[in-house]
Formats: sequence, structure tokens, C-alpha cells
Amino acid sequence: GAVVSQHPSWVICKSGTSVKIECRSLDFQATTMFWYRQFPKQSLMLMATSNEGSKATYEQGVEKDKFLINHASLTLSTLTVTSAHPEDSSFYICSARSQGPQGSGANVLTFGAGSRLTVL
Amino acid sequence: AQRVTQPEKLLSVFKGAPVELKCNYSYSGSPELFWYVQYSRQRLQLLLRHISRESIKGFTADLNKGETSFHLKKPFAQEEDSAMYYCALDFEKLTFGTGTRLTIIP
Repeated sequence: GAVVSQHPSWVICKSGTSVKIECRSLDFQATTMFWYRQFPKQSLMLMATSNEGSKATYEQGVEKDKFLINHASLTLSTLTVTSAHPEDSSFYICSARSQGPQGSGANVLTFGAGSRLTVL
Repeated sequence: AQRVTQPEKLLSVFKGAPVELKCNYSYSGSPELFWYVQYSRQRLQLLLRHISRESIKGFTADLNKGETSFHLKKPFAQEEDSAMYYCALDFEKLTFGTGTRLTIIP
């Protein structure tokens, strides 16, 4: 089945530094990838939609200059948390959508295992 | 705007008893609805989707457009069903409900 790899699985950084998280679809091409943030014991909050070859679409309230998203190929999207602060500490999860029209059965998301970011 | 509501944050059920996790949605078009499950220390994974109308691990979910609901059901709960369950609506982007933590009591 479809597999999404997320790296790193956990990272600790100092306040003010930038951290990059990678999301790769291993055995399929993902036209669209999504980045979520999950706080402890809460649901996943969609941050942005990443489309291959075009700018990401950010959800309301998400700072695009803070969370840089790049989707340079059909198998890779990256999320860079710039000038990280302790309040950015969270669990970041990516998911990838395989190609296929809506309702075709191919419109299923596969999730990465997540990346836990701790900013000191 | 699309919205998904899961009214129960926590649900405890005895082993062997029936399970029903509630999900209601608001969406003006024809939705694609899913149930995702997250077992302890594992990644989120698809449990089932309404278009396939299949039963996975004994779970079923029927889309009721009149009631705008997509409740997840299982006739006899098993201990391994303990997990976090998320209902989700998909149109261009996947919108999750707040999730229900299901605990099966032995």
C-alpha cells in the first residue's frame, strides 16, 4: 500500500533557529500534500495544502512566512519552521493524496508518522 | 464551510457490547466521508470510507444525508478497538472532527 515517510520523527532546537521537516511519498506520486499540526489530546488542525509546482495554500491564522512549505516534486514536500519559538513546539503531521478524481476511490490520504518538534 | 462534529470526546464500552461513535457534518455539496483511526503510538490510518460501503475490522458506517450523519458502528467491541477515532470530510481538503477516544473495558 501507499506509504508516506516523514523525517525527522523528532527534533529539538534552540529558540530562533529554523527546522525543516520532510514528507515523502515512497511508492506513489502525490499531487497534493497536506500539513497538519496536532496539540496534545487534540485533533489535527490543517495548516496548509501543498500542491506540486505551485504555492501552498495556507489556512486562516497560519503565518506563511513562519511556516514555509515547498513541494518541489511529486514525491517530496517540506515544511520549514522559521525562527522557531517555544510556542511552535508541537506534533506536525503530513499526508499525501494520490492522483485520481474525486469519488474514484483514489482520493484517499496516507499519513506520515509525524514529527515532534520541541523548541527550547 | 465544511465542518465535522464528533460530540463525544471520550467513550467507554464494555468488551462485547455494541459501539457507536457519532459524527455529524455540515457541507452543502456531496461529501466524501471517512473514518480514520489512530492506535496508541501509531500513525493515523484510514479505517473506512463511505463510498466503498465495506466493513473493516467489523466496523461499518452509513452515510445519512437526511440527518447529515456518518456514525461508526460495531456490534461487538473488542479490546483492540481501543483507539482515537476521527471522522473526516473530504472536499479539496480533509477536515477532521475533534476525535473520540474509545476505550474498551475488559
